[in-house]
Amino acid sequence: QVQLQESGPGQVKPSQTLSLTCTVSGGSISNVGYYWSWIRQHPGKGLEWIAFIYYSGSTYYNPSLKSRLSTSVDTSKNHFSLRLTSVTAADTAVYYCARAPIVGAIMYYFDSWGQGTLVTVSS
Amino acid sequence: QSALTQPASVSGSPGQSITISCAGTSSDVGGYNYVSWYQQHPGKAPKLMIYGVSNRPSGVSTRFSGSKSGNTASLTISGLQAEDEADYYCSSYTASITWVFGGGTRLTVL
Repeated sequence: QVQLQESGPGQVKPSQTLSLTCTVSGGSISNVGYYWSWIRQHPGKGLEWIAFIYYSGSTYYNPSLKSRLSTSVDTSKNHFSLRLTSVTAADTAVYYCARAPIVGAIMYYFDSWGQGTLVTVSS
Repeated sequence: QSALTQPASVSGSPGQSITISCAGTSSDVGGYNYVSWYQQHPGKAPKLMIYGVSNRPSGVSTRFSGSKSGNTASLTISGLQAEDEADYYCSSYTASITWVFGGGTRLTVL
């Protein structure tokens, strides 16, 4: 059974860069049947899709974050990463990584999730 | 992209049935059978409950069912149990090749 685990700093200063990594265990990140995703949840609020990443490097980004967002995949370490630049307090959230099966060329649900990691943007 | 519209809260007594709605547009919920539902207990990660409008993943109770009519999807929980008390989120693929969630519904089991 695949497991995902987020890691990274719990606090980032305003205007700096938020960097997180999701390590996948119990399965290969190079599995052609899945995209990998980042999703966040502002405190006490709903979920917000951030990005999809494929092992080959193909990506889909939330248009509202695209200008500040970059992602990468390291198949040798079986992990993928998120970088969000120029952060503000509005980026304070629990960040989840998740797996999304590809069904008919579309990924439309998230079947496995990490436990989430709280990132606070504060000086 | 606008979030899908869910009621902020619903409640029901043990044994009863409740339905949570998820309203979108013809560009998301209404345009595709790509609606999924997630259960989230406090402090925990979301859990997939329904995908493809009405499909249940292995291990999810048959008390959970999904449907769609026009631009609105619904999650129905029958035979309510105390353990069902949680937040529920819908999600949909959109015509803009993005993915959007609903604002979430807090289910209270009375």
